[in-house]
Amino acid sequence: LAKTTQPISMDSYEGQEVNITCSHNNIATNDYITWYQQFPSQGPRFIIQGYKTKVTNEVASLFIPADRKSSTLSLPRVSLSDTAVYYCLVGPGTTGRRALTFGSGTRLQVQP
Amino acid sequence: EAQVTQNPRYLITVTGKKLTVTCSQNMNHEYMSWYRQDPGLGLRQIYYSMNVEVTDKGDVPEGYKVSRKEKRNFPLILESPSPNQTSLYFCASSPRQGYGGYTFGSGTRLTVV
Repeated sequence: LAKTTQPISMDSYEGQEVNITCSHNNIATNDYITWYQQFPSQGPRFIIQGYKTKVTNEVASLFIPADRKSSTLSLPRVSLSDTAVYYCLVGPGTTGRRALTFGSGTRLQVQP
Repeated sequence: EAQVTQNPRYLITVTGKKLTVTCSQNMNHEYMSWYRQDPGLGLRQIYYSMNVEVTDKGDVPEGYKVSRKEKRNFPLILESPSPNQTSLYFCASSPRQGYGGYTFGSGTRLTVV
């Protein structure tokens, strides 16, 4: 079971770039890395998913080094509305049956 | 609109009274799962289903049952609820396990007294 470790909290200011790193030392060969955003009393929302190297979409980038033992979610130019909890999830790809375990998440606070 | 719908949003019940929380998705997703979220413990998976008639235990299945008779529905059943099952519950689905991320429902806040 791929356990993930993230910082408990981070603070930033509007307009800055925020990088949140997740450690997952025992990631399996077919595991994908996915990041979610959650606001209070709402379900988590998918941000980005990757397997290796770098993935970018309209809201974030995901950097995964060659050994895949960690990953970094990069949020460019954050705003107040990015204040939320961010979860890194390492889970099986399309094959294999295995339970999913979310980490404790990183609480990001964006200040004006 | 593509979505995962959970009902009810809020529920207060008494210990031992059987209840069902419904979950339905309209995206023809194969994979569905249930989570509970408690303060300081994050999201913990209760059960998951790879497809119709295929269900497996997650990390915290005790006290819960599920069924997957149709692709779109994945109800969570509490046969005899207890106060320690007071929690915020989320249902999620994805096209296949691990593919494209999970779409979560809006949550069901359950209180067992």
